[in-house]
Amino acid sequence: DVKVTQSSRYLVKRTGEKVFLECVQDMDHENMFWYRQDPGLGLRLIYFSYDVKMKEKGDIPEGYSVSREKKERFSLILESASTNQTSMYLCASSFAGPSGYEQYFGPGTRLTVT
Amino acid sequence: AQTVTQSQPEMSVQEAETVTLSCTYDTSESDYYLFWYKQPPSRQMILVIRQEAYKQQNATENRFSVNFQKAAKSFSLKISDSQLGDAAMYFCACGGSQGNLIFGKGTKLSVKP
Repeated sequence: DVKVTQSSRYLVKRTGEKVFLECVQDMDHENMFWYRQDPGLGLRLIYFSYDVKMKEKGDIPEGYSVSREKKERFSLILESASTNQTSMYLCASSFAGPSGYEQYFGPGTRLTVT
Repeated sequence: AQTVTQSQPEMSVQEAETVTLSCTYDTSESDYYLFWYKQPPSRQMILVIRQEAYKQQNATENRFSVNFQKAAKSFSLKISDSQLGDAAMYFCACGGSQGNLIFGKGTKLSVKP
């Protein structure tokens, strides 16, 4: 079975803190994604990566950065957390190529910034 | 740019009945894929069904089927013989050329016993 794991299910941070969210997949997938999920807004793509050390901005990259040093690991970084970044964060991975490949999702990290 | 619209924020169905969730999309891609994902409460998002745009035949997976109308850019999901375990958020998504997905805002489906 494909497994996508995320470092924390719940996280509480203070405004201004640097926050790291980590995602690991065990299927040798080339593509990895970070989404933000908010009620009434669906899933919005923050960043994605199609190879090690490669990254592409999604629809809402402001306030976030990412790192992919190894194929199986994709980190989302909030350089200085703000209250408007309180949200559910979902990581996903898939094989490379046309968009027909299924994305496999992690369980999500619910981040609260106070 | 791609857009995906789910016009029904919430739906309700009686157990064992049939329900249809609506989705419309817009894309400039000539070759694309469409998906329905399910997110049960407090559980991981999983793929329900996938449709290749170049295929005219509607995809079917057990009790789940789609009505794909390419000209109308419509991609609805039909759930037959609804079960309590079908209660979830359902997201429609359209695949982009780089492998990323554009998601709709979701439809919350409740199943009444």
